[in-house]
Amino acid sequence: DGGITQSPKYLFRKEGQNVTLSCEQNLNHDAMYWYRQDPGQGLRLIYYSQIVNDFQKGDIAEGYSVSREKKESFPLTVTSAQKNPTAFYLCASSCDRSLPRNEQYFGPGTRLTVT
Amino acid sequence: AQKVTQAQTEISVVEKEDVTLDCVYETRDTTYYLFWYKQPPSGELVFLIRRNSFDEQNEISGRYSWNFQKSTSSFNFTITASQVVDSAVYFCALSEANTGFQKLVFGTGTRLLVSP
Repeated sequence: DGGITQSPKYLFRKEGQNVTLSCEQNLNHDAMYWYRQDPGQGLRLIYYSQIVNDFQKGDIAEGYSVSREKKESFPLTVTSAQKNPTAFYLCASSCDRSLPRNEQYFGPGTRLTVT
Repeated sequence: AQKVTQAQTEISVVEKEDVTLDCVYETRDTTYYLFWYKQPPSGELVFLIRRNSFDEQNEISGRYSWNFQKSTSSFNFTITASQVVDSAVYFCALSEANTGFQKLVFGTGTRLLVSP
């Protein structure tokens, strides 16, 4: 079945450690996105990528990094510089290089807890 | 600046009641797209509908209907005869055509609780 896979579902880390969240899609979509969701808030865009080997910062990119070496993969690294990393992270993708009209398809999310 | 407001934080209804989720948006662009997504307890967002700014026709899909009114900058979502499976957080989102890519601006969501 086509879709977006995020693993693991739950992730626990100690403060000061970098952690990488995986996101894989087999929808053959060009564009991929990372969002952060905090309780009672909407989703906020961290990074997005319209094509392979290209990505752009979103609204809250500080303390995060990404790579897009393959079309189907868009991993997100939460670095120790991120001051408040505990959150629910959602990966999404859309076709046609991220045209504004396209709907996005979301993965199941990773809940990251840093203590 | 673009903004989406979902003033209803949480709504509780009993099964079979009708319920309307409000969405008000702000944008300076004349071409834009509005979306509704559903987030069930499993966490992933599920796309429900897209509307472009030039199409003010209301839409009905089964028990779901959407009322788009540019005059009031609203894109409200009604569930008729609600069911327990409708319990979820619903997000309204806006995408402007002039950004060059799809930047979705989300509202804060409305949590719908449908009890049996």
